[in-house]
Amino acid sequence: KNQVEQSPQSLIILEGKNCTLQCNYTVSPFSNLRWYKQDTGRGPVSLTIMTFSENTKSNGRYTATLDADTKQSSLHITASQLSDSASYICVVSPGSSNTGKLIFGQGTTLQVKP
Amino acid sequence: EADIYQTPRYLVIGTGKKITLECSQTMGHDKMYWYQQDPGMELHLIHYSYGVNSTEKGDLSSESTVSRIRTEHFPLTLESARPSHTSQYLCASRKGHMGEAFFGQGTRLTVV
Repeated sequence: KNQVEQSPQSLIILEGKNCTLQCNYTVSPFSNLRWYKQDTGRGPVSLTIMTFSENTKSNGRYTATLDADTKQSSLHITASQLSDSASYICVVSPGSSNTGKLIFGQGTTLQVKP
Repeated sequence: EADIYQTPRYLVIGTGKKITLECSQTMGHDKMYWYQQDPGMELHLIHYSYGVNSTEKGDLSSESTVSRIRTEHFPLTLESARPSHTSQYLCASRKGHMGEAFFGQGTRLTVV
């Protein structure tokens, strides 16, 4: 079983609509959680970082939440644009790892249609 | 803007050829990683390094090898490429185990 599970696997929405992506993790101890955006054929780019003491963090139209007790995070996209079409990956940093290995979710593929 | 570069961006080679994928970063990051990603699939760690002269195999078995002779350089080599090696290879680096991981643009490898 993956230590980081994302849902849904894929999502299609109309331009201008909002959407929420989910990430559940079992990684423990936990250092931080990041949401990355990966455009097709490109490398992932960080959107937000959440540490265990943070509940909400915004980056423009992207808002991430974290519940460290239930080990759940969400990424909310407001007023979606065509350029939001991409894969969104939840990445967890274990707290005890000295090698800095990251635990990746399988990603949610978002398609925004006009 | 991340200062991590991968070359080439695209590569088509014949079976049995030896190839080296280049990855360089100018941020002074100690940790570097190689991931393999098939289209529409998740990233799989194949190699990582937490400093000069340290390399470890990742979670996904790979026939490739890596070296870390300099902090900024982490090349990946395939001694004899096969069609099963066709994939996208992503290089990343980060500072410590708290820092953001910065990714290169990737190398799309096709072995025919």
